Amino acid sequence: AQKITQTQPGMFVQEKEAVTLDCTYDTSDPSYGLFWYKQPSSGEMIFLIYQGSYDQQNATEGRYSLNFQKARKSANLVISASQLGDSAMYFCAMREGIGTDKLIFGTGTRLQVFP
Amino acid sequence: DAGVIQSPRHEVTEMGQEVTLRCKPISGHDYLFWYRQTMMRGLELLIYFNNNVPIDDSGMPEDRFSAKMPNASFSTLKIQPSEPRDSAVYFCASSGDRGLNYGYTFGSGTRLTVV
Repeated sequence: AQKITQTQPGMFVQEKEAVTLDCTYDTSDPSYGLFWYKQPSSGEMIFLIYQGSYDQQNATEGRYSLNFQKARKSANLVISASQLGDSAMYFCAMREGIGTDKLIFGTGTRLQVFP
Repeated sequence: DAGVIQSPRHEVTEMGQEVTLRCKPISGHDYLFWYRQTMMRGLELLIYFNNNVPIDDSGMPEDRFSAKMPNASFSTLKIQPSEPRDSAVYFCASSGDRGLNYGYTFGSGTRLTVV
């Protein structure tokens, strides 16, 4: 079964607008961590933001915020004021539970920002 | 900090040949991960080490793949013999302090093509 699901293969957004990239996850462990990574066309994997399962507040990092809805098991990434340089693949990932350090990735969403 | 360093960046080899991918993690990081990225299967964790000891190799596809970490600053992933279906981008990542609420740092990847 898929642990991390990203249902949007591709998204388009106009420059300066906000965009939400969806991510749902599946775990029965009460302790877990959720991550978002950006992969531009150059291929490197860039860490964006982290949310712990016990964190009370949604994580924010500059223009990135994570809309964490625990009951729905969703961890959507919100990018505000999109820039052309935000065009890339975006991956949601989960580290599940205590005692493991595996990071399991979703299939990704390709975001294209147009002028 | 030079980040996670992988070599080579690109490798083209003939089917049946041995291939060795190399990784130098960030100094002080005690976890090292090898991932493989393909269009069909996305990002897959192959194996990871903690303090140079392999912890989980359940993602290693078959006996043709082997990984070593002889010291804290160097790891190799070897494929012998290589096959066309091994063509992929191979990423090495490292993390410290049980990782990782701050993300795993990825190398630039090695693009392997087996012809």
